[in-house]
Amino acid sequence: KAGVTQTPRYLIKTRGQQVTLSCSPISGHRSVSWYQQTPGQGLQFLFEYFSETQRNKGNFPGRFSGRQFSNSRSEMNVSTLELGDSALYLCVSSPTVETQYFGPGTRLLVL
Amino acid sequence: DQQVKQNSPSLSVQEGRISILNCDYTNSMFDYFLWYKKYPAEGPTFLISISSIKDKNEDGRFTVFLNKSAKHLSLHIVPSQPGDSAVYFCAASVITGAGSYQLTFGKGTKLSVIP
Repeated sequence: KAGVTQTPRYLIKTRGQQVTLSCSPISGHRSVSWYQQTPGQGLQFLFEYFSETQRNKGNFPGRFSGRQFSNSRSEMNVSTLELGDSALYLCVSSPTVETQYFGPGTRLLVL
Repeated sequence: DQQVKQNSPSLSVQEGRISILNCDYTNSMFDYFLWYKKYPAEGPTFLISISSIKDKNEDGRFTVFLNKSAKHLSLHIVPSQPGDSAVYFCAASVITGAGSYQLTFGKGTKLSVIP
């Protein structure tokens, strides 16, 4: 069974630009969550999607958005990038609350 | 306000001995607690979880203990092996009314197992 895939793995952008990250969950998993990891704040929840609907959202500004497609693939978008958005963005594929599988992450650097 | 705390940023243990990683939480509404292991440049790997209605869960060398009255959980690794060297994250989950669940993570403990 293939794991969670995220593309791209690395990304460099400049302030003010926007970025779109992609996540393909494990086949059959309908829940996809996104997390941001930074050295200062650790791992923080961004949002969770289930069957194309956002079920939950973390405490991030509106510049952070996401969506899920009918095949469960998910994208997250960050607009008007700031230096502080530099982080590792992790996607989680999950069938149940007690089993959550992380992808390898996309490392975003904002210059 | 940090709802999940791992107060030890690092821990060194001799190979073959027991590793005990600790985690404290403040939100009594958490339903599940999970432990993850993370190597550099990789996403966290799920290790073991425990429901809030249990006090112990065991899986091979890994055992998680939950003390709800103290709002404390611990991960025991016996015996510790050099391959266990990684950063360990404690996480807690609340299931919302919509059926969604989000993880709240501690800052992690770096475990070094010395051969």
